Amino acid sequence: DQQVKQNSPSLSVQEGRISILNCDYTNSMFDYFLWYKKYPAEGPTFLISISSIKDKNEDGRFTVFLNKSAKHLSLHIVPSQPGDSAVYFCAASAGGGSNYKLTFGKGTLLTVNP
Amino acid sequence: GAGVSQSPSNKVTEKGKDVELRCDPISGHTALYWYRQRLGQGLEFLIYFQGNSAPDKSGLPSDRFSAERTGESVSTLTIQRTQQEDSAVYLCASSLRGLVYEQYFGPGTRLTVT
Repeated sequence: DQQVKQNSPSLSVQEGRISILNCDYTNSMFDYFLWYKKYPAEGPTFLISISSIKDKNEDGRFTVFLNKSAKHLSLHIVPSQPGDSAVYFCAASAGGGSNYKLTFGKGTLLTVNP
Repeated sequence: GAGVSQSPSNKVTEKGKDVELRCDPISGHTALYWYRQRLGQGLEFLIYFQGNSAPDKSGLPSDRFSAERTGESVSTLTIQRTQQEDSAVYLCASSLRGLVYEQYFGPGTRLTVT
C-alpha cells in the first residue's frame, strides 16, 4: 500500500513556464515533507521541505504548498529552466522516534524544453 | 568536501551468490541509511544506523540481508544467496545527528542478479 503517491510519472514544460509537481499521501501521521531531485546516475539531492505547521515554504524559484485537509502537496518551479530536468521525488516522515524514516513516492520525470 | 560515496557503482552477479555493497558517509555524519530502489518504484527504507548501532532494521526484506557499520564511518550491506528480485539500485545516505530529515545520498550501486 503506497502511502506517498506521485500519480504523474512524467511532465513536460517549456522553459520559462511554471512546473507543478503533485504528491498525495494517505498516512495522517506524516508531519514533515520533502522534495528530492535526482539526475541520472546520481543520488537524490534534497531540494526543499515543509513542516505540517506551515502551508507554504519558498526557496528561490521553488515553492512547496501543503494542503493537510486534502493530504496533498505540490512543488512549483518558476520559471522552469532546462537544468531542472530531472526526476523529482516527494518524501514524507512521521514524527516521534521514527522521524528518520522517509517514505518516498515513485517520482515524476520533469522535462523542461528549451 | 567529499560527499557520500558508494562502491561498486555497478555489480552483476549470478543468482545464489553473495554480494557486498559499500558506503562511505560524509565525514562527521553519525547517521547512515540504506535504501533500495527497484525499477519504476520509489526508494524503500532498509536500515538506519546511529553510530555503529542499528536501532531500526525493519526495512530489511529478508534474513538474507544484513548490514554493518564500523564506528561512524564505512557501512557494508551484504546480500546472501542473491535472487533476481534483489536487482535494484541500492542507495546509501548520511546525515548529521539531529538533522535526520536532510539526508545526503550517494550515487548508488546498481545490482543486477542474472
